[in-house]
Amino acid sequence: ETGVTQSPTHLIKTRGQQVTLRCSSQSGHNTVSWYQQALGQGPQFIFQYYREEENGRGNFPPRFSGLQFPNYSSELNVNALELDDSALYLCASSLLPGQLNLHGYTFGSGTRLTVV
Amino acid sequence: GQQVMQIPQYQHVQEGEDFTTYCNSSTTLSNIQWYKQRPGGHPVFLIQLVKSGEVKKQKRLTFQFGEAKKNSSLHITATQTTDVGTYFCAGLRNFNKFYFGSGTKLNVKP
Repeated sequence: ETGVTQSPTHLIKTRGQQVTLRCSSQSGHNTVSWYQQALGQGPQFIFQYYREEENGRGNFPPRFSGLQFPNYSSELNVNALELDDSALYLCASSLLPGQLNLHGYTFGSGTRLTVV
Repeated sequence: GQQVMQIPQYQHVQEGEDFTTYCNSSTTLSNIQWYKQRPGGHPVFLIQLVKSGEVKKQKRLTFQFGEAKKNSSLHITATQTTDVGTYFCAGLRNFNKFYFGSGTKLNVKP
């Protein structure tokens, strides 16, 4: 049984560019959440997908968007990158969303995005 | 702004001493989860608390959920160097939104 894998591990982009980050959820998990973790801070909830539909969103602007595919893998897209978008982006999968999730989220190792 | 507050930010203890981190929310939480993140690593799920006043134990770790479901604590008895890391609480609101605290970074001196 594989865990959550994210790609790429590191990425450098220029302000104004667009970026796509990818996540393969743990086998059997149909729920994926994305988090932004700035250095020394806790993960900030971006959004969650359950069975290919977004079913929860944090306080992030619309230029943060996502997709979940039929195999439950997921993408995070960020348009018009800003310097403050530099952070570790974590993907987490679970068997079920929200209150139904009794076993917590399994996190990937993250993608370190640097915007210059 | 920070939805879930966590204190202290840092804690340095001598091996064998106890450690506690506290988590507070201004609104009622559906449930709360606790995670541990080692330096350079990713958060790893420890436990979930759902019921008001719930207490759960995992070996030397004791987790509590407040009666009003607005606060929670994690207590480690007799810390070991393997306990080093940052401990996060994550509270569930509005059914599907988990709000992480800012974490408590624990350093254990041998």
